[in-house]
Order: sequence, then structure tokens, then C-alpha cells
Amino acid sequence: AQSVTQLDSHVSVSEGTPVLLRCNYSSSYSPSLFWYVQHPNKGLQLLLKYTSAATLVKGINGFEAEFKKSETSFHLTKPSAHMSDAAEYFCVVSDRNFNKFYFGSGTKLNVKP
Amino acid sequence: AAGVIQSPRHLIKEKRETATLKCYPIPRHDTVYWYQQGPGQDPQFLISFYEKMQSDKGSIPDRFSAQQFSDYHSELNMSSLELGDSALYFCASSLERERTDTQYFGPGTRLTVL
Repeated sequence: AQSVTQLDSHVSVSEGTPVLLRCNYSSSYSPSLFWYVQHPNKGLQLLLKYTSAATLVKGINGFEAEFKKSETSFHLTKPSAHMSDAAEYFCVVSDRNFNKFYFGSGTKLNVKP
Repeated sequence: AAGVIQSPRHLIKEKRETATLKCYPIPRHDTVYWYQQGPGQDPQFLISFYEKMQSDKGSIPDRFSAQQFSDYHSELNMSSLELGDSALYFCASSLERERTDTQYFGPGTRLTVL
């Protein structure tokens, strides 16, 4: 079975400092992994995805994530946080047939001025 | 670019009533997924359809049913509503035949059961 674990429920950073949101996955095969962002009272927006191509994936708004098979991790990073990055971030793994997604419990990112 | 459309965006019902949520996928997308996100919870997969056939089922209560129509839109029917059904319901779509692994989410329907 597939699952993801987001290691931090809340992360707080100052504007202009780096962001690190951690995600570990469990999968019985080579997974497809995604990061989605959800702003308050908004839908889910795809930030980036990994589907067995390059292990370093660049997404929108300056975010990127690195797939590390040896560590079963897919951490999300951004060099410099912006106030508009404050939102909840979900790490997601899909099943083999892409029939459904398994969501992590989410990490709320707070950005301080 | 066209996105996934969900209607209504907000819905208020009373216990034991029924509700119907609608989802219009991105044009050409043939696969639809439904998720339920309770307050402070992560989205939970309910059910998915491909070419009008149910393709997978998750934690969907027996009181709920869904279908996909010939124009690929989908409806989630919820009967005998309970207070615990209050949640944000997301629909997502993708294009199966291109093995597109990305699900594109709609803005959600917020259901409140009083």
C-alpha cells in the first residue's frame, strides 16, 4: 500500500528565509509523488510532481523537491519564503494506476514578516 | 485555461436531507475523482470514474452514490445527511488515455449540515 508521512504539522519561517517541508513516502513500487498547496478557503493547486524522470523537480513559485529513493523522501524546499506562501501544503502519492491519491496530513506554513 | 468546475460552491442542508454535488472536468478529461476533506483533515478519496464506469472506491459511505455521465461530468449524491458529512468536497479530473498522472482539482463544494 502507498502512504505519505508529513513530518511537521506546522512550520514557521521568516520572510526571506528558506523553507523546508518534509515528506516521507511508502510505496511497494516506484511512486509518483506530488506536492499540492491549499490556500485558506481555496482549492488544491499542483506545485510540482515527480514521475520517475529527473529526481530534482522544479515547480511553480520557486518551489522544488528532490526525490531520494534511499531515504524514501520527497522534501519540498524554497530558497526564500514570501508572505504569499503561507498556506497548507500536502504531499501526495498516487497508486500504480493513478486511480487515487493518498494525501499526507498536511503542513501549515506560516510566514512571519 | 479551463479548469475543473464544481457546483454549487456552498451548500447548507439539514440532517436527513439529500444533496447533489456536481463536477465538470477539464475539457477532454475522461476521469473524475471525488475527495472529502473534513475540518482540519487531509482530503480522503471517495470514488473515481473512467469513461462512465466506476474505476476505484475509497471510504465512501453507503449513503453516498456517484455517477459519471456521457459528457464526463459527474454527480455525487448524498442522502440521509449527517452532521459529520459537513466537509469540503473536491472533484479532480485527469486524462486517462494519455496516462496523465496529474489530477487537477476543482475549487470544492463546502457542504454544511445543520
